[in-house]
Amino acid sequence: GQSLEQPSEVTAVEGAIVQMNCTYQTSGFYGLSWYQQHDGGAPTFLSYNALDGLEETGRFSSFLSRSDSYGYLLLQELQMKDSASYFCAVTRGQNFVFGPGTRLSVLP
Amino acid sequence: DGGITQSPKYLFRKEGQNVTLSCEQNLNHDAMYWYRQDPGQGLRLIYYSQIVNDFQKGDIAEGYSVSREKKESFPLTVTSAQKNPTAFYLCASSDKRGSYNEQFFGPGTRLTVL
Repeated sequence: GQSLEQPSEVTAVEGAIVQMNCTYQTSGFYGLSWYQQHDGGAPTFLSYNALDGLEETGRFSSFLSRSDSYGYLLLQELQMKDSASYFCAVTRGQNFVFGPGTRLSVLP
Repeated sequence: DGGITQSPKYLFRKEGQNVTLSCEQNLNHDAMYWYRQDPGQGLRLIYYSQIVNDFQKGDIAEGYSVSREKKESFPLTVTSAQKNPTAFYLCASSDKRGSYNEQFFGPGTRLTVL
C-alpha cells in the first residue's frame, strides 16, 4: 500500500526556522513534492525532489533521502503569511499520493 | 490568464441526488485530476485522466464518475451511491513538459449534502 506520515502541527515564531518532516512507504516512487495550502484555498506547488539532496528556492528548501524514505521542508525567516498547511506528496508517474499535512502556525 | 476554474464555489444538494462539478483548464495540460479533501485531512485521489477519452480510478473512486471528452474539461459527477459526499473537491492539472511533477489546482468546490 501507500502511506505518508507527517506531524499534524508545528508552531514557530516569526523570523525563526522550521523543519517539517515526511516519511513514506510506497511502491513506484518517482519523487517527493511539497504543497502549501492556506485555509479555504487551493494547494500551491512549492518544490519537487527526484534525487537525494537539498533543493533551495528562496526561503524554502526541500530535502530527500530515498534510502531512508524520508524528506523534509525547511522554511527560513518565517513570516506570518507562512501560516498554512503543508503537504508532502509522492509522485507515482502521472498520479500522486498526498500526506495528511502539517499545520504550521507562525506566532508574532 | 491561464488557469483552472471550478464552479460553483459552494454547492448544496439533497441526499439522493446526483450532482456534477465543473472543471475547466486553459493551460493546455494533458493530465487532469480530481481530489477530495475532508476537514483537517490530506487530499485523496478520486479519478485522473492522462489523455482525452481515457481516465483511471484513483484511491476512492466508488460513488463517483468522470468524463474527458475535451482536453480542457474534466467534470466530476457525485452520485447517490457515494455515502459521505460532503467535502471540499479540488481539480488539478499537470503537463508532461514539467514531467507531470507540478500540479496546478483550481479554487475548489465545497459540496454540502443535506
